[in-house]
Amino acid sequence: GQSLEQPSEVTAVEGAIVQINCTYQTSGFYGLSWYQQHDGGAPTFLSYNALDGLEETGRFSSFLSRSDSYGYLLLQELQMKDSASYFCAVLRGGGNKLTFGTGTQLKVEL
Amino acid sequence: DADVTQTPRNRITKTGKRIMLECSQTKGHDRMYWYRQDPGLGLRLIYYSFDVKDINKGEISDGYSVSRQAQAKFSLSLESAIPNQTALYFCATSAVGEGGGDIQYFGAGTRLSVL
Repeated sequence: GQSLEQPSEVTAVEGAIVQINCTYQTSGFYGLSWYQQHDGGAPTFLSYNALDGLEETGRFSSFLSRSDSYGYLLLQELQMKDSASYFCAVLRGGGNKLTFGTGTQLKVEL
Repeated sequence: DADVTQTPRNRITKTGKRIMLECSQTKGHDRMYWYRQDPGLGLRLIYYSFDVKDINKGEISDGYSVSRQAQAKFSLSLESAIPNQTALYFCATSAVGEGGGDIQYFGAGTRLSVL
C-alpha cells in the first residue's frame, strides 16, 4: 500500500521561513507534488519534483530525495495569506494517479 | 468563469436517497477524477477516467458509481446515500505540466450532508 506522513500543524510568524516535511512509502513512485488549500477552497497545485534536488518558484521551494523517500516544501518570507493547508502527494501508477497525505495546517501569526 | 464547475455546491439529503453530483470542465482535458475529503484524512480517490470509454475505481469506490457522459462531463452518483458519505467532494481534471508531472485542477467542491 501507500502511506505519506506530514505534520498535522505548523505555526510560524510573518516574515519567517518554514519547512513542511513529507515522508512516503509507495510502489511505482514517479514524483512528489505539493498542493495548497485555503479554508473552504479548492486545492491548487504548487510544485512537482521528479528528480532529487531543489525546485524554486518564487517564495516557495520544494525538495526531493528519492533514496530517502523524503521531500519538503519550503516557504520563505511568510505572509498572512500563506495560512492554509499544504498537502504532499505521490504521483504513481503510470504517472497519472495521486495519493495525498493528510495535510499540514500552516498558521502564520503576526 | 471557473474551468472546472461542480453542481450543486451544497446538498443535504436523507439516508437511502439516490443523488448525483455533477462536474463539467472547459479545460479540454481527457483525465477527470472524483475525490472525497474528510477532516484529518486528506483527499481520497473515488473514481477516475482517462477518456470517455475509460472508467477506473479508486481507493474508496464502494457505494459510488460514475458516468463519463462526454469529455467535458463526469458525474458521481450515490445510489443509496448513508451518513458516513457526508463529506466534501471534489472533481478534478489533469494534464501533464512542464516538469513532466501530472497537474490536477480542482473544482470548488460539493459539500454533502447525509442525514
